[in-house]
Amino acid sequence: DAGVIQSPRHEVTEMGQEVTLRCKPISGHNSLFWYRQTMMRGLELLIYFNNNVPIDDSGMPEDRFSAKMPNASFSTLKIQPSEPRDSAVYFCASSWRELDTQYFGPGTRLTVL
Amino acid sequence: DAKTTQPPSMDCAEGRAANLPCNHSTISGNEYVYWYRQIHSQGPQYIIHGLKNNETNEMASLIITEDRKSSTLILPHATLRDTAVYYCIVRVGGYGQNFVFGPGTRLSVLP
Repeated sequence: DAGVIQSPRHEVTEMGQEVTLRCKPISGHNSLFWYRQTMMRGLELLIYFNNNVPIDDSGMPEDRFSAKMPNASFSTLKIQPSEPRDSAVYFCASSWRELDTQYFGPGTRLTVL
Repeated sequence: DAKTTQPPSMDCAEGRAANLPCNHSTISGNEYVYWYRQIHSQGPQYIIHGLKNNETNEMASLIITEDRKSSTLILPHATLRDTAVYYCIVRVGGYGQNFVFGPGTRLSVLP
């Protein structure tokens, strides 16, 4: 079984540009989570979806961040405009149900210059 | 805030058992203890979880004290590939709450 798939694996962009990160959860899982990891703040939950519906976005840092889940097999995390402080590794995770074990993707390393 | 306390780092000799402690003195009766690990540059990997009984799987064993205020993750025969940051997480359930990752324990398995 393929695990959680994220793309791109690495993204380098310039300040002010739009960035879109993509995630494909494990087939059959109906909860999806976006995390951000930095040296200073560790691993933080940004937002999670249950059955494609955003349940809690209280971790989204500001309005420049948005996330969508148009169907059960795809989600995006968009940053517009990007800033250097957004540089981090962004992980997507999925689980069968909201409170079940989460399985993480390999992450997207974002660098904003 | 994380509800667990772990030592920041530990060393273990290759082939020996690695015992990673975790304190969770404020755990509630319906909260599980989860362990994840993160090998450098990879996504966190699920290891094991438990409620009150000891648990074992192909990766590790989880020992939870009777009062549930602490637990120990045991890697029975540590290898160099087990070098990673290990996170102990108490699962806070319900909408709006989820896994909270603390700083974890950096385990170094030494040859």
